[in-house]
Amino acid sequence: AQTVTQSQPEMSVQEAETVTLSCTYDTSESDYYLFWYKQPPSRQMILVIRQEAYKQQNATENRFSVNFQKAAKSFSLKISDSQLGDAAMYFCAYRSASKKLTFGTGTRLTIIP
Amino acid sequence: KAGVTQTPRYLIKTRGQQVTLSCSPISGHRSVSWYQQTPGQGLQFLFEYFSETQRNKGNFPGRFSGRQFSNSRSEMNVSTLELGDSALYLCASSLVQGADTGELFFGEGSRLTVL
Repeated sequence: AQTVTQSQPEMSVQEAETVTLSCTYDTSESDYYLFWYKQPPSRQMILVIRQEAYKQQNATENRFSVNFQKAAKSFSLKISDSQLGDAAMYFCAYRSASKKLTFGTGTRLTIIP
Repeated sequence: KAGVTQTPRYLIKTRGQQVTLSCSPISGHRSVSWYQQTPGQGLQFLFEYFSETQRNKGNFPGRFSGRQFSNSRSEMNVSTLELGDSALYLCASSLVQGADTGELFFGEGSRLTVL
């Protein structure tokens, strides 16, 4: 079974600075998807960014980018120019060949004004 | 376009009772997944339905069940409630089975408290 590990339960960053959230996963599959989801306080979870394992190029969505290291099974999220609205729980997730999503335990990100 | 709607948003039950939660997916979405979110266990996959058929199932006891109707609306039921069932239950819909595009659209959740 696949596992997803987020080793940072909490992180904080100054507004306008850059922060990196870590995620590692364990799998024997070669083809899979990885995601970062954001859950703001008392609000719905939304997709931040996705990465297909067969793509070597790191995904980027505006201020959000990933560092995907397939051999190391690492998938970190970098948030540039942090904004107050970025404060949330961030979940790393793995989608297996059976299409089931496995989530990490989450990282609570605080933005310091 | 309306988002994923979950009802009820909050409910309180006592041990031994049963509960039914409802999820209306985004119009046109045929896949509905359910997750249990707790502070200790994080987000755990319950099951996924596509075209009224359960396609994937997580590691939960048989007290947890679900179904999907022809209009893609889904319900999940928990029987013989235990204190440990207290959690936020999240429903997510996607256009195709298993979120092939990668994007699951989540509802706001149903927060269940078992006393």
